Amino acid sequence: LAKTTQPISMDSYEGQEVNITCSHNNIATNDYITWYQQFPSQGPRFIIQGYKTKVTNEVASLFIPADRKSSTLSLPRVSLSDTAVYYCLVGPRVVKAAGNKLTFGGGTRVLVKP
Amino acid sequence: DADVTQTPRNRITKTGKRIMLECSQTKGHDRMYWYRQDPGLGLRLIYYSFDVKDINKGEISDGYSVSRQAQAKFSLSLESAIPNQTALYFCATSEPFAGGNTGELFFGEGSRLTVL
Repeated sequence: LAKTTQPISMDSYEGQEVNITCSHNNIATNDYITWYQQFPSQGPRFIIQGYKTKVTNEVASLFIPADRKSSTLSLPRVSLSDTAVYYCLVGPRVVKAAGNKLTFGGGTRVLVKP
Repeated sequence: DADVTQTPRNRITKTGKRIMLECSQTKGHDRMYWYRQDPGLGLRLIYYSFDVKDINKGEISDGYSVSRQAQAKFSLSLESAIPNQTALYFCATSEPFAGGNTGELFFGEGSRLTVL
């Protein structure tokens, strides 16, 4: 599985856009990029997934450059309730017994201030 | 009701005791997982099961065992608990990460275990 590197923490203010970049230099051709959000004492929650270019949903956008060696999660106009840890995961989307073992690294702790 | 339910939510026990954490799900997923999270750290995979007859070790399986009693139930056991197994444990389920599915993991609310 591809190793990922993310900033340990980021601070922001309400109403600002937060961008978290994840590096995954050894991403494989069949790897997808998935982001999860975790609030204290809760299990992680799926935010968004993408393979290339840009993906947008009601919560966030995911930007993936052509070389796919990094990706950026963008949270528009954050509120205090967006304070959480955000995890970047990279893994294959193939049907095989060893697949789906996504590994969670340390994540990025985002603190949104008033 | 939660789709993925863990019991107990909190447990304090003593070194050497046998502990079982239970997980049940109503999502109808074949795949189930047990993760461990230590303070300030990410989640580490303990065991995973892709169907009732399939059990696989994850990154940190030593000291743990699991049982997949049915599609909906996946239990984690600590045969002889030790203090460094004090952690927050999460059960999760998913569909296969293939076809039209994202392989999204659905997590329970966690079981906080303290071993004295």
